[in-house]
Amino acid sequence: EVQLVESGGGLVQPGGSLRLSCAVSGFTFSSYGMNWVRQAPGKGLEWLSYISSSSSTIYYADSLKGRFTISRDNAKNSLYLQMNSLRDDDTAVYYCARDRGGYASDTWGQGTMVTVSS
Amino acid sequence: QSALTQPPSASGSPGQSVAISCTGTSSDLGGYNYVSWYQQHPGKAPKLIIYEVSKRPSGVPDRFSGSKSGNTASLTVSGLQAEDEADYYCSSYGGTNKFPWVFGGGTKLTVL
Repeated sequence: EVQLVESGGGLVQPGGSLRLSCAVSGFTFSSYGMNWVRQAPGKGLEWLSYISSSSSTIYYADSLKGRFTISRDNAKNSLYLQMNSLRDDDTAVYYCARDRGGYASDTWGQGTMVTVSS
Repeated sequence: QSALTQPPSASGSPGQSVAISCTGTSSDLGGYNYVSWYQQHPGKAPKLIIYEVSKRPSGVPDRFSGSKSGNTASLTVSGLQAEDEADYYCSSYGGTNKFPWVFGGGTKLTVL
């Protein structure tokens, strides 16, 4: 069974940092690009970042302004999102998602909640 | 403000058909056949139901269909069922002048 499990969310103060992880199983992780997408409470989906299977291609949403860094470890079947200089408006559920090609994601994790508040 | 425009709500009675639109520009949605649709039930992760404008992943009922004309894509849900009540999001390739992915703001589908 294909599974993506996010972890690392929690409560953090403005200006703080968090590192999200996404552990995958049930498929050959090293063959797929991966995405991070977030959803603020009561709001829509916002794409954040993409990393190719070999990490050779990385994209970020302009809104992140260099604060977030995506990475992966194919040996550990894991995807990461390092988030720095967190702001109140970064409060959201963060999802990792497998890229199926054609700019679509066919498998999503259950999400991890990040709350930025003092 | 989302890059793609969707109506905030749509509704229909059981058994009816409903269409949800998603409008972009010629630089994104209109220029490429990379439109996807996602279904999201409350408290759940999004689920891919349409990719590349009109293709359905395995396991998605054929009651869900997608199309595109010019800068507007549409998701049609036929034979509405109670379990179709959910939020629906369109997504498209953002084009060479934007980041790769753009989403619509979402449409809340209510089954009356």
